[in-house]
Amino acid sequence: DAGVTQSPTHLIKTRGQQVTLRCSPISGHKSVSWYQQVLGQGPQFIFQYYEKEERGRGNFPDRFSARQFPNYSSELNVNALLLGDSALYLCASSFGTAGSPLHFGNGTRLTVT
Amino acid sequence: GENVEQHPSTLSVQEGDSAVIKCTYSDSASNYFPWYKQELGKRPQLIIDIRSNVGEKKDQRIAVTLNKTAKHFSLHITETQPEDSAVYFCAAKAGGGNKLTFGTGTQLKVEL
Repeated sequence: DAGVTQSPTHLIKTRGQQVTLRCSPISGHKSVSWYQQVLGQGPQFIFQYYEKEERGRGNFPDRFSARQFPNYSSELNVNALLLGDSALYLCASSFGTAGSPLHFGNGTRLTVT
Repeated sequence: GENVEQHPSTLSVQEGDSAVIKCTYSDSASNYFPWYKQELGKRPQLIIDIRSNVGEKKDQRIAVTLNKTAKHFSLHITETQPEDSAVYFCAAKAGGGNKLTFGTGTQLKVEL
């Protein structure tokens, strides 16, 4: 069975640009969450979507936005990129919302120069 | 909000020895505590989890214990092997939703 798939795997952008990251959940999973992992730290929660609705938002600026599509895939958008946005962006899927284990994808490594 | 502290930040053990990683959490409403293993350049992988209505859970060489009163939980790895070398993260979740608050990670090195 395919796990959580993310694209692209690596991305280099310039300050001020915009980026879109994509995620396909495990088949049958209806919830997608996004996390940011800065080098040497644990992942930090950005968003959760379930059945195309936002179910949670972490402490990130409005430059970060996301959406979930009818097939449960998801996109994370970041506008006006800053150097500090350089990180590994992880997508995790789960069957539901309450206590379902999260399974992470391999992430997208974003470098902002 | 929830705060999760994790110790130690690095842990070096000899092959065959046991390793223990400890975490504390701040939100008494937390009810789900997973542990993830992350090898260099790879995704975090769920290795074991425990819910607040259980005090201990074991899966082969890995066990997790939870003390709700003290708000701490621990990961125990017995008979460590070189392939156990990785960064381990604890996490906690309060209420519904999928917001996990992660600890800062423990770099485990198993030496031959």
